[in-house]
Amino acid sequence: DAGVIQSPRHEVTEMGQEVTLRCKPISGHDYLFWYRQTMMRGLELLIYFNNNVPIDDSGMPEDRFSAKMPNASFSTLKIQPSEPRDSAVYFCASSFGTSGLTDTQYFGPGTRLTVL
Amino acid sequence: KNEVEQSPQNLTAQEGEFITINCSYSVGISALHWLQQHPGGGIVSLFMLSSGKKKHGRLIATINIQEKHSSLHITASHPRDSAVYICAVIVDSNYQLIWGAGTKLIIKP
Repeated sequence: DAGVIQSPRHEVTEMGQEVTLRCKPISGHDYLFWYRQTMMRGLELLIYFNNNVPIDDSGMPEDRFSAKMPNASFSTLKIQPSEPRDSAVYFCASSFGTSGLTDTQYFGPGTRLTVL
Repeated sequence: KNEVEQSPQNLTAQEGEFITINCSYSVGISALHWLQQHPGGGIVSLFMLSSGKKKHGRLIATINIQEKHSSLHITASHPRDSAVYICAVIVDSNYQLIWGAGTKLIIKP
């Protein structure tokens, strides 16, 4: 199995630009999670989906952030417009089970976003 | 006071030493995760515990629900174990995920 796949691995953009991060979960996993990691705030859960439906988006920092999961094998996290404080590593994770957060999660390699 | 506290924050040891990393929490939980983050940034989920003890290779994780405490042990430590180890709990009342600050482990050859 290829594991969780994220793209791009690195993204550098200018303030105000739209940024789209992509994630392909492990096949057969029915939960997908988006996390953000910064030095200041550590690892934060932004949003998670079950069977393509958003379950909890209370961690999404503001309206500039949106996430979609159009099908079981693909999810996007979009930032529009981007700001320098959005610079972070964004992780996607997936899991299989009935409990969502309490099941073992498999993390992707992360996307390192730098907003200038 | 943070709801999840890890100790120590930093740990340097010699190859072969037995390592213990602790995680204490103050909320009721349904499960606890231990994760490993390597210097390159990748995160690996090590264990998910709701009771008792789990073992995988040289790694052992234990949890005491009554004492609200979990430990991660590494036997026969090796330089490749050098990483940040993160504890995260799932709050049983609202399913909130709360992360510890991490323990940076360096194993010297």
